[in-house]
Amino acid sequence: EIVMTQSPATLSVSPGERATLSCRASQSVSNNLAWYQQKPGQAPRLLIYGASTRATGIPARFSGSGSGTEFTLTISSLQSEDFAVYYCQQYDNWPPWTFGQGTKVEVK
Amino acid sequence: QVQLQESGPGLLKPSETLSLTCTVSGGSIRRYYWSWIRQPAGKGLEWIGRIYATGSTNYNPSLKSRMTMSVDTSENQFSLNLNSVTAADTAVYYCAREGGYYDTTGYLGWFDSWGQGTLVTVSS
Repeated sequence: EIVMTQSPATLSVSPGERATLSCRASQSVSNNLAWYQQKPGQAPRLLIYGASTRATGIPARFSGSGSGTEFTLTISSLQSEDFAVYYCQQYDNWPPWTFGQGTKVEVK
Repeated sequence: QVQLQESGPGLLKPSETLSLTCTVSGGSIRRYYWSWIRQPAGKGLEWIGRIYATGSTNYNPSLKSRMTMSVDTSENQFSLNLNSVTAADTAVYYCAREGGYYDTTGYLGWFDSWGQGTLVTVSS
């Protein structure tokens, strides 16, 4: 099973600033990586797949990069609606598909 | 736009069987893989398993011995059964559609549509 490790656990950022979230895989997952956003009481929402392709309707301020074992989600200028928990997921090696433990982006 | 809705009992006793159904609307169930994912309160996401319209399944090895999934294409529904539940199975259960592609190892996918989730509590 591939273990996904996200850092930091919590990221404190002011509105308008850039946020950089990291995700590391225990072995290479090529570019088979997705990012999700989850707000309290809601289901996760797909942001990025293929490590860098934005899902339908996702604003351009969200960008993903990386391949192999190291990945980054960048939010270029945080809006109020972006404060949430973010998860990465690998879909290269199954079963099972695995998620990171999440990074909470909170208001500084 | 596809919509997913989970349904099933919210409270179970230890050793009982968890049975959930996901109803898909706004699109056919036939062209995608469909997954169950769960999330204990305050914790992360765990993939449970997936099913295709043909009935082909893939399960999380950690749950494989206790679970079965089925699909009813005439009703556009798929289901999860998890037996011998314990308090550790208490979680919000989501159904989700798996977008993705085929490669040499099979279908590789991400989750592009989700149900709202249903809370299942296991308590005596």
